[in-house]
Amino acid sequence: KQEVTQIPAALSVPEGENLVLNCSFTDSAIYNLQWFRQDPGKGLTSLLLIQSSQREQTSGRLNASLDKSSGRSTLYIAASQPGDSATYLCAVNYQGGSEKLVFGKGTKLTVNP
Amino acid sequence: DAGVTQSPTHLIKTRGQQVTLRCSPKSGHDTVSWYQQALGQGPQFIFQYYEEEERQRGNFPDRFSGHQFPNYSSELNVNALLLGDSALYLCASLKTGKVTQYFGPGTRLLVL
Repeated sequence: KQEVTQIPAALSVPEGENLVLNCSFTDSAIYNLQWFRQDPGKGLTSLLLIQSSQREQTSGRLNASLDKSSGRSTLYIAASQPGDSATYLCAVNYQGGSEKLVFGKGTKLTVNP
Repeated sequence: DAGVTQSPTHLIKTRGQQVTLRCSPKSGHDTVSWYQQALGQGPQFIFQYYEEEERQRGNFPDRFSGHQFPNYSSELNVNALLLGDSALYLCASLKTGKVTQYFGPGTRLLVL
C-alpha cells in the first residue's frame, strides 16, 4: 500500500532555531515529492517540488531533500520565524498514479517569539 | 492571473441532503482533481477529471460524483450526506505535461 508518514505530528520551537521536518514513503517508484504549507482553515501552498531524479531543492530559507532508496524526504527550515507557524504537508506522486497525490497527515509547527 | 477558485467557501447541510461544490482551475490548466481533508488529517484523493472525463478515482463511494465542463471548470457532487462527510474539500488544477499542482482555498462542508 502506498503511504506517506510524517514525523513529528507537532513541533514547537523558539524563534531563530533551525529545524527539520521528516517525511517517509513506502514505495520508491515515485515521479516527484512536494512539500506544502497549510494555514488554519486554508488551502495548500506549494513550497518545494523535488523530481525523482533530483536530490534536493532550495527556496529561500527552505531546503528539501529526497532519498528514494531509503524512502525519505526532509524539509529544513533555517532561522525559523513566527510567520512560519503552520502545518506542513508532504505529498508523493507515485508512478502509475496519474498525478494523484498521496499525503501525509502533516506536521504542525509553532514558532514562538 | 487568478489562481484556483472554489465556491462556496462554507456550507452547512443536514444528513441525507445533496451538495454541489464548484471549482475553477488556474488559467491554462486543463486537469482538475478533488481531495477531501478531514480535521487533523492529510487530504485524500477523490477523483481527477481531464477532457471532461473521470480519469482516476480514489477509494470513495459512488455517492461522490463529479463533472468537468468544456471550460475546464469542475463540480463535485455528494449525495445522501453523512456526518462523516464533514470536511474541507480541496480542488487542485494542473496543466497537462507539467508537474506542479495548484490548490484552491477549499470549501468547508459541515453536515449536521
